[in-house]
Amino acid sequence: QVHLEQSGAEVKKPGSSVKVSCTASGGTFSTYVFNWVRQVPGQGLEWVGGITPIFDRSTYAQNFQGRVTITSDESSSTVYMELSGLRSEDTAVYYCARERGDLGALDIWGLGTLVTVSS
Amino acid sequence: ESVLTQSPATLSLSPGERATLSCRASQSVTTYLAWYQQKPGQAPRLLIYDASKRATGIPARFSGSGSGTDFTLTISSLEPEDFAVYYCQQRTNWLSFGQGTRLEIK
Repeated sequence: QVHLEQSGAEVKKPGSSVKVSCTASGGTFSTYVFNWVRQVPGQGLEWVGGITPIFDRSTYAQNFQGRVTITSDESSSTVYMELSGLRSEDTAVYYCARERGDLGALDIWGLGTLVTVSS
Repeated sequence: ESVLTQSPATLSLSPGERATLSCRASQSVTTYLAWYQQKPGQAPRLLIYDASKRATGIPARFSGSGSGTDFTLTISSLEPEDFAVYYCQQRTNWLSFGQGTRLEIK
């Protein structure tokens, strides 16, 4: 059974950066797309971006272009999302989710990482 | 990027009733449309992919239909555990979610 383990909650100052990790276990890693989806408290789901480890290729949502970097480490089956220039509106739960390319759907989700941006 | 519009925003029904949720895309997404259920404090769970295929372990009371720009999620007879927020998602043009439909107990 595939499991996605995310790093713990973070509290950051405005203007700083945060790096969240997601480690996959129990299945193949490199051939899937791993996406990051955020959810501001009380609001809906918003796609941040994704990466295909085998190609080391990342794509980003327009809203986050220039502020987000998604990387992967095949040796540890881990993907990372780094968000810079943090502002209070970035306070949210950030989910890592595996995408089945043949389905176009996100079939496995991590539990989420709460990032709080506060001065 | 395709914009997904879900309706209604909130649906109030009783257990045993039939629920019909709608998702409309601003441009065709063929059948690359998925539905998720999210309960408070939990990650979303995949229900339906490819517009009409149930994900592993999803009860038969959940069904999806549609293609192109208009899609529907139907719950044939609501169970108490079905009251949650539901999101549609497309993957044809980048990746995006609808704003969600809250299914609440009447």
